[in-house]
Amino acid sequence: SQQGEEDPQALSIQEGENATMNCSYKTSINNLQWYRQNSGRGLVHLILIRSNEREKHSGRLRVTLDTSKKSSSLLITASRAADTASYFCATVSGKTSYDKVIFGPGTSLSVIP
Amino acid sequence: EAGVVQSPRYKIIEKKQPVAFWCNPISGHNTLYWYLQNLGQGPELLIRYENEEAVDDSQLPKDRFSAERLKGVDSTLKIQPAELGDSAVYLCASSLAADTQYFGPGTRLTVL
Repeated sequence: SQQGEEDPQALSIQEGENATMNCSYKTSINNLQWYRQNSGRGLVHLILIRSNEREKHSGRLRVTLDTSKKSSSLLITASRAADTASYFCATVSGKTSYDKVIFGPGTSLSVIP
Repeated sequence: EAGVVQSPRYKIIEKKQPVAFWCNPISGHNTLYWYLQNLGQGPELLIRYENEEAVDDSQLPKDRFSAERLKGVDSTLKIQPAELGDSAVYLCASSLAADTQYFGPGTRLTVL
């Protein structure tokens, strides 16, 4: 079964606005990661947040994690046309030597100049 | 530092033909992943290697898919015979641990 589910599936905003994407998951995790994928390209790692962290920042990105609600959000502030891409959350879970990594279906973000 | 290299970038074959994809991970990365990505979906893990050992191949359709990672470096993913439903993008990624994965550009497979 799929671990992460992003919401919304698609988001269209004007340049300069903030974009918020959410990720919900079902089981306990070790960490949660966000990736970006431009059309026709591979995924690029954006940020990782561990299960004992609540918030992390990286440039214009802000990620929050609420383990009680089993959810995370990715906020992109002051969006730019270049932020147009698909965004995926990936949950890392498991207690064995090899963690399980599962990607969600993604949110397609369009930033209109 | 060179990123993850995949070849070919595009492949068009007829159904029932064999096809192979190649991946060269980032130097020193002991973990290598092969994913399948359908249009509008997230990557789905096919197989994960820790050095030469396949530690998770539970989602690999073993009747037609096979993979190998010789000497714990390069890896090859093969499909034989290919079916129409195999049309997708095949992504390779590598990492030092399960934290940050570095992805290649992918191979777009079209089966006619």
